[in-house]
Formats: sequence, structure tokens, C-alpha cells
Amino acid sequence: EVQLVESGGGLVQPGRSLKLSCVASGFTFSNYGMNWIRQAPGKGLEWVAYISSGSSYIYYAETVKGRFTISRDNAKNTLYLQMTSLRSEDTALYYCARGSYRDWGQGVMVTVSS
Amino acid sequence: DVVMTQTPPSLSVAIGQSVSISCKSSQSLVHSDGKTYLNWLLQNPGQSPKRLIYQVSNLGSGVPDRFSGTGSEKDFTLKISRVEAEDLGVYHCVQATHVPYTFGAGTKLELK
Repeated sequence: EVQLVESGGGLVQPGRSLKLSCVASGFTFSNYGMNWIRQAPGKGLEWVAYISSGSSYIYYAETVKGRFTISRDNAKNTLYLQMTSLRSEDTALYYCARGSYRDWGQGVMVTVSS
Repeated sequence: DVVMTQTPPSLSVAIGQSVSISCKSSQSLVHSDGKTYLNWLLQNPGQSPKRLIYQVSNLGSGVPDRFSGTGSEKDFTLKISRVEAEDLGVYHCVQATHVPYTFGAGTKLELK
């Protein structure tokens, strides 16, 4: 059974940093590109970042470029999202998703507020 | 950025009814590799999204065949035949051809 389990969320002040993790199991993690997608409360889905299976290709949404860094450790079956200079508009439920949105985690909440 | 326009924003249906949802893109979604990376997702209330359809018309794993996807280039449709209670929620289209990948605003399917 495929599982994606996000962690690392919480309440953080504007301007601070936070690092999310997504631990994968049930498939060969190193064979798949991975995405981070977020959903602000009561809003639609917004793609945040993508990393290819071997980390050769990395893409970001303009809203997070220069502030967020996606990375992965294939030995640990783990995807990361390092978030810096957080803003109130980054408040959202953050999901990791496998490949072309094939599987999703349960999401982790990030709240940016003073 | 590719704009994904989904219509209608909401639908009220009776169980057993058939419905269609439209998703139009501002650019062709045909990738340079010849494939069209248009997916349909369903987000049941309080749940994570689940992929229903990938590459326009391919049924995801375990997805009932009452779901079907059609379309090409810039114009795509999700059809649900014989709606069941478990189909209620928000449907999203998402393109993964052009970076940044973009989602439609969603279509909320509710019970009449």
C-alpha cells in the first residue's frame, strides 16, 4: 500500500522558517518525481514545487521561488520542503503527491501568523 | 502561466444522474513528447484529493468506470455516469504539461 506521510507543520511567525517532510512507502520512491501542492483554507489547490526522481529537474511556482527549496533523500524515501521568509499568504494545508498526482498524503497544516 | 477554466463552479445532482464538467486551458496541453498531461482529481469533503483520470482519458487505479475523460488540445471534459453518493465533493482539473503546473478552480458536486 502506497503511503505518503507529511510532517513538520505548525504555527510560525512571519519571516521565520519551517521544514516539511514527506516519508514515502509502498513504492520505489527513487523512481518517481514528487510534488508539493498547497490548499489555503476554503480555497483551491495550488502547485508549489516539483522535483524529478534524481533531483535533476526542480521547478517552483513564482509565489515561492527564492523562498522555498524542494529536495529529496532517496536513501531515506523522504521528500522535503524548506520554507523561509514565510508570509501570511503561505498559510495552507501542504500536500506531497507522487508523480502525476497519482497518490497524495493526508497533508500538514502550516499557519503563518504573529 | 496556463489558465485552467473549469465550469460549472457547482453542480447539484440526484443520485443516478449523469453529469459533465468542462476544463478549458489557455494553451494547448500537448507536451513536446506528444502526450497531454491533463488530470482530473476528486476531493471528497475533508479528504485529500484522489486522482481519477490521467493523460486526458486514462482511468486511475481502482477508479470506477462510470468516470470517463475526453478531450484534446485545450478542451477537456470529465463525465460521471450514474452519480453515486461517494462521488460528491470537489472536482479539480490540473495540467502538468507546462511549468508552472496549474489547477482549475474546482467544481463542487452536491446532492440535489
